[in-house]
Amino acid sequence: GQQVMQIPQYQHVQEGEDFTTYCNSSTTLSNIQWYKQRPGGHPVFLIQLVKSGEVKKQKRLTFQFGEAKKNSSLHITATQTTDVGTYFCAGANAGNMLTFGGGTRLMVKP
Amino acid sequence: NAGVTQTPKFQVLKTGQSMTLQCAQDMNHEYMSWYRQDPGMGLRLIHYSVGAGITDQGEVPNGYNVSRSTTEDFPLRLLSAAPSQTSVYFCASSYTGTPNTEAFFGQGTRLTVV
Repeated sequence: GQQVMQIPQYQHVQEGEDFTTYCNSSTTLSNIQWYKQRPGGHPVFLIQLVKSGEVKKQKRLTFQFGEAKKNSSLHITATQTTDVGTYFCAGANAGNMLTFGGGTRLMVKP
Repeated sequence: NAGVTQTPKFQVLKTGQSMTLQCAQDMNHEYMSWYRQDPGMGLRLIHYSVGAGITDQGEVPNGYNVSRSTTEDFPLRLLSAAPSQTSVYFCASSYTGTPNTEAFFGQGTRLTVV
C-alpha cells in the first residue's frame, strides 16, 4: 500500500532559525495536505497542494509539491515559539485514503 | 458551531471489554474517517466512509468495526479491547466524498486498555 515517509522525526531550533520538514511518498499523489498539531491538541489543516511543482506561501511558511508529485516540503523562516508542534504531511492518491506521514516534531528554544 | 465532536475524551478499559467511541459532525460532510495516533507513528487510518451506508477498511482495521447509518454519525466499535489498542483516536470529516479536501478533526479520545 501507499507509504508516506517524513523526516526528520524531531528538530530543535533556536528561535529565529529556519526549519524544514520533508515528505516522500512511495506512490504518485493526487494532492498533498499539511497539518499542524499542537502538544495535546488535534491536527489542524494548513494547506493543500495539487499541481506538480506547486509552491504556496502562508506568511513565514512555504510549501512545495515536487514535480513528480511524490514529495513535498514545508519550510518555516525565522521560527517563533508559536511554531512549536508536530507537522504532518498527508497524501491522497486515486483511492479514498488519506495517508499521513510520521510527523516532524518542532521544538523552539526562546 | 460544534464541528466534529468525539466522546468520551478519556476511557480506561479492561482487556476483553468492548466499547464504542462516538463521532458526530454537524457540517453535512460526506467523508468521515477514524485514525489512531501512537508515538512516533503519525496517524494511521482505521476505517473510513465516503457517505451514509458506505464504509471501508483503512490501514489498520483489525479489531475495529464501524457503521454509517446517517451522514452525521460514524461510531467506532472495539470488539474485544487489547493493550495494543491503547492509543489516541481521532475522528475526522471532509466536505466531499473523498479525502481530497481539508479534513476537520475532533478533539480525540485517549484510550487506555489495561
